[in-house]
Amino acid sequence: QSVLTQPPSVSAAPGQKVTISCSGSSSNIGNNYVSWYQQVPGKAPKLLIYDNNNRPSGIPDRFSGSKSGTSATLGITGLQTGDEADYYCGTWDSSLSVGVFGGGTKLTVL
Amino acid sequence: QVQLVESGGGVVQPGGSLRLSCAASGFTFSRYDMHWVRQAPGKGLEWVAFIRYDGTNKYYADSVKGRFTISRDNSKNTLYLQMNSLRVEDTAVYYCSKYQGHPGYGHFDSWGQGTLVTVSS
Repeated sequence: QSVLTQPPSVSAAPGQKVTISCSGSSSNIGNNYVSWYQQVPGKAPKLLIYDNNNRPSGIPDRFSGSKSGTSATLGITGLQTGDEADYYCGTWDSSLSVGVFGGGTKLTVL
Repeated sequence: QVQLVESGGGVVQPGGSLRLSCAASGFTFSRYDMHWVRQAPGKGLEWVAFIRYDGTNKYYADSVKGRFTISRDNSKNTLYLQMNSLRVEDTAVYYCSKYQGHPGYGHFDSWGQGTLVTVSS
């Protein structure tokens, strides 16, 4: 059972938009920065979004992040088959002094 | 460019020990907090441990507290994870990760390729 809650899977057609939610509490998402990671099976995770809504260099602006209260959202527009991967949200839990991740969301581009 | 290379994984019996290493290059290792994150087969990411850039502060997941010890040698640009009293449920790929920022105000900006630890009799 992950501290952060994500939907197990989402799907959409190429060219469409999808959002992935990440729900937490005041001790984690509510008072800390959220980041998002993309993981292709068999590979290491890759940073996608940091500090709630910032993209590292090289990440296309099709990827966006937002945070409101104790929830965060990853948005992906103009879906491509290459976007098929597992997506994880992550943050710090200040009450527990531990890192926390969501359970991951598998994106399928139909 | 940043490079993190884990080593030390393998097969070990329940109750056994292993020490993982993570060799860092391409950045000033001594200035960055570091973490270990693991992923059991077919499962999601699980945070394991944190160490402050100077080694003075460490945090652990409840699932490994008292059994695992994170450490670092800044003179060797190397991060370690000493794993004792290993359990079957510790079977996972272990990643070391460079942390940009500090707990609560940071993110994992680089990851190693991972090293597989299998605990089995």
